[in-house]
Amino acid sequence: DVKVTQSSRYLVKRTGEKVFLECVQDMDHENMFWYRQDPGLGLRLIYFSYDVKMKEKGDIPEGYSVSREKKERFSLILESASTNQTSMYLCASRSWSNSPLHFGNGTRLTVT
Amino acid sequence: RKEVEQDPGPFNVPEGATVAFNCTYSNSASQSFFWYRQDCRKEPKLLMSVYSSGNEDGRFTAQLNRASQYISLLIRDSKLSDSATYLCVVPSGAGSYQLTFGKGTKLSVIP
Repeated sequence: DVKVTQSSRYLVKRTGEKVFLECVQDMDHENMFWYRQDPGLGLRLIYFSYDVKMKEKGDIPEGYSVSREKKERFSLILESASTNQTSMYLCASRSWSNSPLHFGNGTRLTVT
Repeated sequence: RKEVEQDPGPFNVPEGATVAFNCTYSNSASQSFFWYRQDCRKEPKLLMSVYSSGNEDGRFTAQLNRASQYISLLIRDSKLSDSATYLCVVPSGAGSYQLTFGKGTKLSVIP
């Protein structure tokens, strides 16, 4: 079974803090993704990576950056957290472009 | 047409009923499609993949209509445990690396 692990289940940060969300997958998957999910808006893609050191902007990249230095790890960085970044963050991975996503169990971030 | 559209529901059905959800998509080049199930405050979990005309797994049947650009999910003999939000997922973007999620259809199965 594919395992995608997100470092924190719940996180509370203050406005202006730099926040790191970590995601690790154990199946040697090429592609990794960061989504956020908000009520009424569904899942929205922030960034994705199709290979080590490669990254592509998704639909809502503003205020975020990512890092993929190793194949198994994909980090999401909030440079200066704001209250409108309070959300559920979901990391996912997949092996190739027509295969399904496997999700981590999410990080519920609250920015106060 | 939006990239992916789903009827948000909610669908409230009695146990044992048959229920169907549709999902329309705009990218005619899409090759593979997925249905996910999401329970409240949990991550989405893969329910079915749809690579050709359709797929069946027990009480669940997914069908793809490329001409009309929609996929459907049929659930037969609904169980209480089927209550969840069902998300359809469609490839998008150059090279189909991205996956776009519908906003989900909420199903409540009632005793």
